[in-house]
Amino acid sequence: EVQLEQSGAEVKKPGESLKISCKASGYSFSTNWIAWVRQMPGKGLEWMGIIYPGDSDTKYSPSFQGQVTISADKSISTAYLQWSSLKASDTAMYYCARRNDVWGSFYLDYWGQGTLVTVSS
Amino acid sequence: EIVLTQSPGTLSLSPGERATLSCRASQTVTDRHVAWYQQKPGQAPRPLIYDASKRATGIPDRFSGSGSGTDFTLTITRLEPEDFAVYYCQQYGSSPWTFGHGTTVEIK
Repeated sequence: EVQLEQSGAEVKKPGESLKISCKASGYSFSTNWIAWVRQMPGKGLEWMGIIYPGDSDTKYSPSFQGQVTISADKSISTAYLQWSSLKASDTAMYYCARRNDVWGSFYLDYWGQGTLVTVSS
Repeated sequence: EIVLTQSPGTLSLSPGERATLSCRASQTVTDRHVAWYQQKPGQAPRPLIYDASKRATGIPDRFSGSGSGTDFTLTITRLEPEDFAVYYCQQYGSSPWTFGHGTTVEIK
């Protein structure tokens, strides 16, 4: 069974750094892209970027380029999303999701449970 | 970037009624690469439809998708109590992928 297990909720202060994780199981981690999606409180879904764990090829949405870093460690089947200096506006739920890579149907077929990040002074 | 506009913002219907949700793209979506997701409060989104009209695994046949080019539709033929939720369309034909702002289907 495919599962994406995300790290727990975080409460941080502005200016602090943070790295959240998404551990995959039930499939070959290296062969499917993993996306990160932001959902601000009461708002819709925003695609942040995507990584191919096999070679760490990464693509970012222009809205998030330079604001976050996406990485992966295929030896432990885990993808990461990190910030070097958090802002209050980074307060949101963050989801990782696996991209289906069969027959070019690149939708997000499995999702993590989400990690709530709260940034407040 | 392709902008997806979903309408209506809120749909107020009764169980058993038909729901029709629209997703309009600012440019043609390549190869009908549109997906629909359902999200309930406190839960992660769940995929319903991909490639505009294919049902994801385990999705009942009361959910159907259609459309091509710039206009896409999600139809729920007979609303069940568990279908009241927020629905998002997403395009994955062009980078950056984008989502619509969602349609809330609420109980009338």
